[in-house]
Amino acid sequence: SAVISQKPSRDICQRGTSLTIQCQVDSQVTMMFWYRQQPGQSLTLIATANQGSEATYESGFVIDKFPISRPNLTFSTLTVSNMSPEDSSIYLCSVRDNLNTGELFFGEGSRLTVL
Amino acid sequence: AQSVTQLDSQVPVFEEAPVELRCNYSSSVSVYLFWYVQYPNQGLQLLLKYLSGSTLVKSINGFEAEFNKSQTSFHLRKPSVHISDTAEYFCASQRRGNTPLVFGKGTRLSVIA
Repeated sequence: SAVISQKPSRDICQRGTSLTIQCQVDSQVTMMFWYRQQPGQSLTLIATANQGSEATYESGFVIDKFPISRPNLTFSTLTVSNMSPEDSSIYLCSVRDNLNTGELFFGEGSRLTVL
Repeated sequence: AQSVTQLDSQVPVFEEAPVELRCNYSSSVSVYLFWYVQYPNQGLQLLLKYLSGSTLVKSINGFEAEFNKSQTSFHLRKPSVHISDTAEYFCASQRRGNTPLVFGKGTRLSVIA
């Protein structure tokens, strides 16, 4: 199974600032996804990070607010731009390394608190 | 559209009692089904999955889930829970193909001594 490292694990940010979360995988993976888990809620898919091309965003999420990079098959970043308190959440990187099983592996998540 | 419904947001149960966490899915095509567990202040871990074949799948720590196509359900059960099973449990589905997972809202299992 893939091992996923996310940085930072947690941060406290000021309103109006931006923060970039990094996701590093210990092996090449085909698919990488970014999810958000708001306090007390389930996971919501933000976007699929596509290697070498623009990310595919879900309804309600836009590139200007959540720009995503994926320069290679082991690394991706998610930026939360112009943060507000409503962006306080856990952001999770997940990967799929086997197209046939569907299983996703998750990082530990990045807990952001916006003041 | 694909969706997952977990009917119970919280389930308190006494230690060594049986438990069932309910999950229903909605999809017009075949899906894979998963249960993930999230222990306090930790990431998500896969508990068990149904891809095909036997409709009853089991985890190494005593949980099991049964895929019921006619009822579009994938309920999670354990005959005797432990304090250490206290966690949030998420049911998820995935349309076959290279698609993301769709998660239910989660069920918080609290095991009481």
